[in-house]
Amino acid sequence: NAGVTQTPKFQVLKTGQSMTLQCAQDMNHEYMSWYRQDPGMGLRLIHYSVGAGITDQGEVPNGYNVSRSTTEDFPLRLLSAAPSQTSVYFCASSRTGGHQPQHFGDGTRLSIL
Amino acid sequence: AQTVTQSQPEMSVQEAETVTLSCTYDTSENNYYLFWYKQPPSRQMILVIRQEAYKQQNATENRFSVNFQKAAKSFSLKISDSQLGDTAMYFCAFFYSGAGSYQLTFGKGTKLSVIP
Repeated sequence: NAGVTQTPKFQVLKTGQSMTLQCAQDMNHEYMSWYRQDPGMGLRLIHYSVGAGITDQGEVPNGYNVSRSTTEDFPLRLLSAAPSQTSVYFCASSRTGGHQPQHFGDGTRLSIL
Repeated sequence: AQTVTQSQPEMSVQEAETVTLSCTYDTSENNYYLFWYKQPPSRQMILVIRQEAYKQQNATENRFSVNFQKAAKSFSLKISDSQLGDTAMYFCAFFYSGAGSYQLTFGKGTKLSVIP
């Protein structure tokens, strides 16, 4: 039972590079979301999706894109990495919405040089 | 936008003692959900407890209980018989769905250290 799987676990990028953080869940959850965690800031919502084909912005969406072509996958794309995007990124899912307990992945530590 | 405030950045407690973590939130809504999540040094996020605002009874999960004061917009977490494994960051979170928004909002966290 894999739950929520995030890849990679660690990544170092140079400013201006692009990359995709992968998130997959095998629980048939409709609701998926991406957060970033910075020291002293808690978790801040980047984007979320309430189902395949539906995405919406969270609190800090600038510089990030998402898509939800399948129920299982919710990738997060950094279009042109900036040092301010250095953070730990968490993907989470729940059956139908944020009112339910969230299942979190193990996180991706991303450093932008 | 809803806001969640955790006023205690760091706390410590002796093993086997009781500690209470504070959380306040700001909303004009009546129906919402509140959560406490735990993040140990392993970085994994784990649900501790969940409270539905329309339920007056305070939620409990073994050694963890909440004091939910709806009128005061307060949602504190009490940990009884603290154990070394309770050492972690604790995050309070708020969820409300309305006007097409389905966002879960987290506080900045309280770092709890359990001292042997």
